[in-house]
Amino acid sequence: AQSVSQHNHHVILSEAASLELGCNYSYGGTVNLFWYVQYPGQHLQLLLKYFSGDPLVKGIKGFEAEFIKSKFSFNLRKPSVQWSDTAEYFCAVSGYSTLTFGKGTMLLVSP
Amino acid sequence: DADVTQTPRNRITKTGKRIMLECSQTKGHDRMYWYRQDPGLGLRLIYYSFDVKDINKGEISDGYSVSRQAQAKFSLSLESAIPNQTALYFCATSDSSGQIASPEQYFGPGTRLTVT
Repeated sequence: AQSVSQHNHHVILSEAASLELGCNYSYGGTVNLFWYVQYPGQHLQLLLKYFSGDPLVKGIKGFEAEFIKSKFSFNLRKPSVQWSDTAEYFCAVSGYSTLTFGKGTMLLVSP
Repeated sequence: DADVTQTPRNRITKTGKRIMLECSQTKGHDRMYWYRQDPGLGLRLIYYSFDVKDINKGEISDGYSVSRQAQAKFSLSLESAIPNQTALYFCATSDSSGQIASPEQYFGPGTRLTVT
């Protein structure tokens, strides 16, 4: 069975600070990896995804993530956060048929 | 995503009542999913369906049932609601027609259910 662990439940940053959210997964086969974002009061939206190829994946709104197979990690990064990045971020892993989500990291960016 | 709609958006019901949450999609996707979201627990899969004749239990199916009335419609029922089913419920869809076995999922706006 697959599982996902997100390192931080809450992160508070000032605008322009750099962001890195940790995600580790457990799955024995070929994985597909995702980061979703949920802005306050909204549904989940896909930020970026990794299926194969270049382990450095670029997504929307300046986010990127790096797949490190040896560490079973897929950390999300952004060089300079904005107040509008305040949201909850979910890492997810899929095996053959379904997605398993981490418990989420709530990011608060103060202006 | 406006292509995945959920009704109702908010619902308050009493313990013991039967309630149905509905999901419709215009994306033409074959796969549909129901999740519940609880603070600090992330999203957990309740049921999923890969086509009209296929229904599968997820991680937390007890107390829930589903119906796939058509490719575009997937309903979630709580036969006898209890307070710990108070949560935010999301429907999602995905498309299996590509080469990737488990492609990304597209989420509806959610239904906030409160059981008193």
